[in-house]
Amino acid sequence: AQSVTQLGSHVSVSEGALVLLRCNYSSSVPPYLFWYVQYPNQGLQLLLKYTSAATLVKGINGFEAEFKKSETSFHLTKPSAHMSDAAEYFCAVSDSTGGFKTIFGAGTRLFVKA
Amino acid sequence: DTAVSQTPKYLVTQMGNDKSIKCEQNLGHDTMYWYKQDSKKFLKIMFSYNNKELIINETVPNRFSPKSPDKAHLNLHINSLELGDSAVYFCASSQAITQGVKTQYFGPGTRLLVL
Repeated sequence: AQSVTQLGSHVSVSEGALVLLRCNYSSSVPPYLFWYVQYPNQGLQLLLKYTSAATLVKGINGFEAEFKKSETSFHLTKPSAHMSDAAEYFCAVSDSTGGFKTIFGAGTRLFVKA
Repeated sequence: DTAVSQTPKYLVTQMGNDKSIKCEQNLGHDTMYWYKQDSKKFLKIMFSYNNKELIINETVPNRFSPKSPDKAHLNLHINSLELGDSAVYFCASSQAITQGVKTQYFGPGTRLLVL
């Protein structure tokens, strides 16, 4: 069965600093991987997804993630944090073994300090 | 135009009551989902329907009953509400999940508080 682990329930960065949110996955077959963002009192929206094409995936709002099979990781990065990036970020995995069901990580809350 | 909408946005009710949450999507998607997000933000799938057919049914108390009158609507009825049902319930939709992994589009959530 697939699973996702997000390291760090809270991450705090200064405005303009690098954002790094960590995600490790477990899947017995090639996975599809997602990062979703949830702003306060809103639903989740897709930031980016990996579907076995390029290993470096670019998403919205300047975010990108790199699929590393050897490390079973899919970390999310952004070179320069903006105050508007403060939100909850969810890594998710899906594959054919679970009927393409999507499993979400526990989430990482990103704080951006002025 | 709201892609995935839910009503109501907030729901405060007493233990033991029965309540329903409605979801509608105008994206033309075939698959719809219900998720529960607890107070620690953990998001867990409850049910999924593809073209009105139940395809994912997780370990959920049978007090929860989904209904899909057509592929654009997925409602969630909860009987005999308990304190532990307090959470945010999200509806989502996607292209047909039976054809592979698809991006999901989420509604704004329904905040349920059981007193």
